[in-house]
Amino acid sequence: EAQVTQNPRYLITVTGKKLTVTCSQNMNHEYMSWYRQDPGLGLRQIYYSMNVEVTDKGDVPEGYKVSRKEKRNFPLILESPSPNQTSLYFCASSLSGFGYEQYFGPGTRLTVT
Amino acid sequence: AQTVTQSQPEMSVQEAETVTLSCTYDTSESNYYLFWYKQPPSRQMILVIRQEAYKQQNATENRFSVNFQKAAKSFSLKISDSQLGDTAMYFCAFMKLYGQNFVFGPGTRLSVLP
Repeated sequence: EAQVTQNPRYLITVTGKKLTVTCSQNMNHEYMSWYRQDPGLGLRQIYYSMNVEVTDKGDVPEGYKVSRKEKRNFPLILESPSPNQTSLYFCASSLSGFGYEQYFGPGTRLTVT
Repeated sequence: AQTVTQSQPEMSVQEAETVTLSCTYDTSESNYYLFWYKQPPSRQMILVIRQEAYKQQNATENRFSVNFQKAAKSFSLKISDSQLGDTAMYFCAFMKLYGQNFVFGPGTRLSVLP
């Protein structure tokens, strides 16, 4: 089944404890992206990757890092999480960055206390 | 930078009736893509419809259609014969022609009433 998977689905952590949210797609997509969703703000792009060689910041990259060492995986890293990073996070992928449909993962609910 | 506005935070419609969700955007680009995504209570993001700005014809997908007014920078979604399963958050989104940054609006929560 073609899909985007994220792990974990739920995570409660404390301020400053490094964490990684994994994202993997099995559709051989070039483009991958991370979003955070907050009430009243919609989804905001954190980072995106056009392919394994090109990764760039989205609208809200502060406090986040990403890595694209292979095509299928695109982990999101919070090296020192803070309470304002409490949010719902989505990973997405598409065939390319040129207007194709994005397929979204199921989301990760992160709470930082 | 591009911005997307959805002026209706919440809407409701009776089952089988028609409802229109509004979306406006601001860009200096001449070619781009526009999308409507649906997010039901399951939180899964689902593509509803996609429009290429360089195409004059409005996109349609079964009961879903758009009214794309490029000069007015408006991209409304019409849902005909509303069904209970249409209850969801609806997000309008913008993407430049040559990729990368994807911008979502704040969303409209639609409730379909029996």
